Amino acid sequence: GDSVTQMEGPVTLSEEAFLTINCTYTATGYPSLFWYVQYPGEGLQLLLKATKADDKGSNKGFEATYRKETTSFHLEKGSVQVSDSAVYFCALNSGGGADGLTFGKGTHLIIQP
Amino acid sequence: ETGVTQTPRHLVMGMTNKKSLKCEQHLGHNAMYWYKQSAKKPLELMFVYNFKEQTENNSVPSRFSPECPNSSHLFLHLHTLQPEDSALYLCASSQGMENNQPQHFGDGTRLSIL
Repeated sequence: GDSVTQMEGPVTLSEEAFLTINCTYTATGYPSLFWYVQYPGEGLQLLLKATKADDKGSNKGFEATYRKETTSFHLEKGSVQVSDSAVYFCALNSGGGADGLTFGKGTHLIIQP
Repeated sequence: ETGVTQTPRHLVMGMTNKKSLKCEQHLGHNAMYWYKQSAKKPLELMFVYNFKEQTENNSVPSRFSPECPNSSHLFLHLHTLQPEDSALYLCASSQGMENNQPQHFGDGTRLSIL
């Protein structure tokens, strides 16, 4: 079956540091890939997505590139802020909505001033 | 109000109680989902509805009973729950069932079983 693997953390960085959160996947077919963010007490918000190989999704300074050859979708940001502190989830959808999204366990990111 | 709204935000119930969770989406989407989020575990898909028809029941115990009266509303009826059912229950919706369609989530109902 499909699976997503990401570092769980917590990952602690100083403000303005460079961020990388690794995500690798196994999937049948040709999945679409997503990053979601969850702030304390809230649901998941779509951060960015990519639907085919070499696509780059980007939003709010975050970006991730769909790498089919390495089955990866690493999340990056050049300069993090305290407000970026949250839990980040990598997810894929290979079977259409009927199968829902397959999520990683989430990476807890803490940014210190 | 736009987006996906879930009520109540918090629910505490005994194992013999019956309660319902409600989800409403204001996005004009056709598909709706229930997920369970437990600590230290990936989100688990529970149920999927497309145009009010259930398309997926992911081996969920019968003490959870979904209902989708129309494309905008989704309920999760709860009865005789167990302590391990304590979790955050998230509702989501999407425009269609294609795999490139992102799902939009509500803020969840935090359920605690005494």
